[in-house]
Amino acid sequence: AQKITQTQPGMFVQEKEAVTLDCTYDTSDPSYGLFWYKQPSSGEMIFLIYQGSYDQQNATEGRYSLNFQKARKSANLVISASQLGDSAMYFCAMREGPDSWGKLQFGAGTQVVVTP
Amino acid sequence: SQTIHQWPATLVQPVGSPLSLECTVEGTSNPNLYWYRQAAGRGLQLLFYSVGIGQISSEVPQNLSASRPQDRQFILSSKKLLLSDSGFYLCAWKRDTYEQYFGPGTRLTVT
Repeated sequence: AQKITQTQPGMFVQEKEAVTLDCTYDTSDPSYGLFWYKQPSSGEMIFLIYQGSYDQQNATEGRYSLNFQKARKSANLVISASQLGDSAMYFCAMREGPDSWGKLQFGAGTQVVVTP
Repeated sequence: SQTIHQWPATLVQPVGSPLSLECTVEGTSNPNLYWYRQAAGRGLQLLFYSVGIGQISSEVPQNLSASRPQDRQFILSSKKLLLSDSGFYLCAWKRDTYEQYFGPGTRLTVT
């Protein structure tokens, strides 16, 4: 069964606007973590932000914030003030258990295109 | 600071030929190491992970194998490539944090 679901295959956003990328997850483990990675056309995966299941506050890193709604099992990424360099594929990922050797499961990704 | 290298960057191999992809990490010791494969337009699939020298865990039974001959070296191999082995192969490491850090990847085309 799919553990991470990203329902938006692609989206366009205008420069300087905010964009929200959806991610829902499925786990019965009370200890888990959620990640967002960015993959530009070069292919390298760039870590953006992390949220643990026991973290009380939503994670933020610069222009990135994670809207964590535990009851709804969603972990949406919000990018504020989009820049042309934000054009990339974005992946949501999850680890289950306290660490489980760090294994991650990835969603199918959302392609973001930022337009001038 | 830590860096992760992968080579080669691109590879075109005929069906039935062997494969060896290498990944090395600098600037850390005893990292967890991971091999992922990404099919075109898809998410990442974990293939192997290692928590120490000689310790390899396989996630997906298939035509590939992995080895960790040194602390910071992780090798992905195949004796005979299949067309379905084509894809983008990414190596990653982590140590004390939850997040993994990825290498630049190897784009493999099996013809």
